[in-house]
Amino acid sequence: DAGITQSPRHKVTETGTPVTLRCHQTENHRYMYWYRQDPGHGLRLIHYSYGVKDTDKGEVSDGYSVSRSKTEDFLLTLESATSSQTSVYFCAISEGGYNEQFFGPGTRLTVL
Amino acid sequence: AQSVTQPDIHITVSEGASLELRCNYSYGATPYLFWYVQSPGQGLQLLLKYFSGDTLVQGIKGFEAEFKRSQSSFNLRKPSVHWSDAAEYFCAPPLELSFGAGTTVTVRA
Repeated sequence: DAGITQSPRHKVTETGTPVTLRCHQTENHRYMYWYRQDPGHGLRLIHYSYGVKDTDKGEVSDGYSVSRSKTEDFLLTLESATSSQTSVYFCAISEGGYNEQFFGPGTRLTVL
Repeated sequence: AQSVTQPDIHITVSEGASLELRCNYSYGATPYLFWYVQSPGQGLQLLLKYFSGDTLVQGIKGFEAEFKRSQSSFNLRKPSVHWSDAAEYFCAPPLELSFGAGTTVTVRA
């Protein structure tokens, strides 16, 4: 299995609080992605990174920011969490933009 | 932009029967396409991928997919389904695009 970990695995927070999710890889892959998965919507891309300090927006980036200061870490921040951001968040990595993606185990976030 | 759609939200199939999941793509250049599977409570795992060349692609767990440019399709098939194939299946383009909504497969005994 590709070395991808996500932390925390579960989190419950309140509306208006900041939340940071961490994705860590040991594969030295260039690309990293954050998705959210909601019933009926499949996986929707939030942000992705194609290198250290190089990031771009996905389909559902509003309300989220990311940072990548090291190859191995990709952080997703919800500046002020809302109930609509209750979801399961998956991190993925790939060697290149046209390569297969390897997924982390997911983080279940509940915003009350 | 690259985009894929999966017309079937949910499919129920009997154990031992054949399975076909549809995927349509909508971009002109030679597409890069993937099929992933997600078992309940798990992350996604790659089943197979198509980049170019042979249009019939073999994957893991006994799955195969056929790329048909004339139909803009990349359908996933399995000749005989096992109970463990109950999962959600995603057809996906690469890079910055989102996956489709997926197809949930239920296997009945």
